[in-house]
Amino acid sequence: KAGVTQTPRYLIKTRGQQVTLSCSPISGHRSVSWYQQTPGQGLQFLFEYFSETQRNKGNFPGRFSGRQFSNSRSEMNVSTLELGDSALYLCASSLESGRAGDTQYFGPGTRLTVL
Amino acid sequence: AQSVAQPEDQVNVAEGNPLTVKCTYSVSGNPYLFWYVQYPNRGLQFLLKYITGDNLVKGSYGFEAEFNKSQTSFHLKKPSALVSDSALYFCAVFTNAGKSTFGDGTTLTVKP
Repeated sequence: KAGVTQTPRYLIKTRGQQVTLSCSPISGHRSVSWYQQTPGQGLQFLFEYFSETQRNKGNFPGRFSGRQFSNSRSEMNVSTLELGDSALYLCASSLESGRAGDTQYFGPGTRLTVL
Repeated sequence: AQSVAQPEDQVNVAEGNPLTVKCTYSVSGNPYLFWYVQYPNRGLQFLLKYITGDNLVKGSYGFEAEFNKSQTSFHLKKPSALVSDSALYFCAVFTNAGKSTFGDGTTLTVKP
């Protein structure tokens, strides 16, 4: 099976712009979670989508949003970019939602740089 | 609130020696504990998990972890380290409420 794929791998934007990142989960996985990884804050949970519905949300401002499509592919959007949004954005997929024993498998990430 | 602590930012071992990367956790209810490894410019790779059952969990690449409920620990171990094991290691706890918490990570360096 193909793993989790994320596009694009690298992105450079300027402050005030918006950006959309894409994630395709492992075939058959219906839950997609997004994380932000920075040197200072570590790995922080953004949100989780399952069956096109947001199931869980971390402590991020409303500028961060996402959605999931009927084929389980997911996108996240960041509006009005700030310098502090520069990070590696990781997507992870799992079979179901709300089953803590399910393993999350991560994609390679999208490296976002905000200038 | 749940939390994960990886008390060592850096662990250095010589190739061929045993390695331990420490993790302690705090969670109400049953813990679901995971170890992931991250190589430079890559995503996280799943190593192993503890859900229930045997306290010693075996995972990928010869890694294992021991769940200790009384000490609320889940230390990652390998009997004989390889240079290629050098990477960033994350411990994580998940709950059925859908919350996940990752530790800050431990950089493992294995020297030839």
